[in-house]
Amino acid sequence: GENVEQHPSTLSVQEGDSAVIKCTYSDSASNYFPWYKQELGKRPQLIIDIRSNVGEKKDQRIAVTLNKTAKHFSLHITETQPEDSAVYFCAASFSGGYNKLIFGAGTRLAVHP
Amino acid sequence: GAVVSQHPSRVICKSGTSVKIECRSLDFQATTMFWYRQFPKQSLMLMATSNEGSKATYEQGVEKDKFLINHASLTLSTLTVTSAHPEDSSFYICSATKGQGANTGELFFGEGSRLTVL
Repeated sequence: GENVEQHPSTLSVQEGDSAVIKCTYSDSASNYFPWYKQELGKRPQLIIDIRSNVGEKKDQRIAVTLNKTAKHFSLHITETQPEDSAVYFCAASFSGGYNKLIFGAGTRLAVHP
Repeated sequence: GAVVSQHPSRVICKSGTSVKIECRSLDFQATTMFWYRQFPKQSLMLMATSNEGSKATYEQGVEKDKFLINHASLTLSTLTVTSAHPEDSSFYICSATKGQGANTGELFFGEGSRLTVL
């Protein structure tokens, strides 16, 4: 079936530390993997995405890695700041006509000063 | 940019009434829009895929007669919660993509609509 698993569900780090969130997906045909950040009461915002033809992508303090063989992808945030505190969702595209996105359960990240 | 606007942001209704939520892409045409439902502190659960000019595609377990979706134009999709009951209370959020078919792209989300059914 169509499934995206995400862990951990909560993550607490000290400011300046790194944070890693991991996701696995079920469909080997999935080809698009975005990460969204959602602050309380707000809409999700894309922070980084990766397509299946690359293994890693980096944007300043944020990076995403993809292992297609293992059907696994991860979000890495370095030098965390208190403003990074939010809920992070991974997602994977699933075929079936319109390439819908199925989201993971979310990770609540808390960065403590 | 790509802006998606959703209205209303909050709605309170009595049990048994119907509520319509609108989702508009303001600066691009969206052949496909997606409706998600989010319970407090939970993930975004895909309800249905809204396709301009054709019937919506519903996810397993989502009642199509309960959640009516109409995608009348390339910039507007509506979700109507019919005969709403307290268990329908939730955060409904729409999204649209500029991509089509195999070129799945970034989803742009609306502000969301918080429905409370009394």
